[in-house]
Amino acid sequence: GAVVSQHPSRVICKSGTSVKIECRSLDFQATTMFWYRQFPKQSLMLMATSNEGSKATYEQGVEKDKFLINHASLTLSTLTVTSAHPEDSSFYICSARAALGDGTEAFFGQGTRLTVV
Amino acid sequence: QKEVEQDPGPLSVPEGAIVSLNCTYSNSAFQYFMWYRQYSRKGPELLMYTYSSGNKEDGRFTAQVDKSSKYISLFIRDSQPSDSATYLCAMNAGGYQKVTFGTGTKLQVIP
Repeated sequence: GAVVSQHPSRVICKSGTSVKIECRSLDFQATTMFWYRQFPKQSLMLMATSNEGSKATYEQGVEKDKFLINHASLTLSTLTVTSAHPEDSSFYICSARAALGDGTEAFFGQGTRLTVV
Repeated sequence: QKEVEQDPGPLSVPEGAIVSLNCTYSNSAFQYFMWYRQYSRKGPELLMYTYSSGNKEDGRFTAQVDKSSKYISLFIRDSQPSDSATYLCAMNAGGYQKVTFGTGTKLQVIP
């Protein structure tokens, strides 16, 4: 199946600093990538849809100035958590769609565990 | 009411058992149905996908979709300890439309 690489897998940062997470589609071009947040024992919450060459589309309740998304190429999207606070500690996962059979399926990165101290 | 409902478990079964995982949904526009496996602290891995109603088999895994009942299932035959993970159902109306996930069912297969 398609491969999506996410980096870093784990990061610890101090409160008030910014953290950048990268998501790369390794063997296909992804015009659209998605960023999710997952809390323990909860489902994936879509944060935003990242479109190559244009502004991201954010879900209701997600602060676009706090979670900056850049999709500069067909294989790379980045999520920057700005001025991170402890409540931003979570598991962040990206995914990219690839054509598969009759539809398009989402392939996920390995996830990034962010801990803000 | 959530668009997708999934029993969070945990579900514990002995090795070799047949496992049945299920989701119900309310949006009749959903056409594509997927099952993901997620190991602890890892991203979800696509296991199977089906379009519309019907069955699909892949090795020990069988996915079933009953659109009339808005009910989907994943069966795992001859379950192995390595199958221990959280299983997420997911679905969308097709194309690049938003994918809605269930909360996941945690499965533990006991040797």
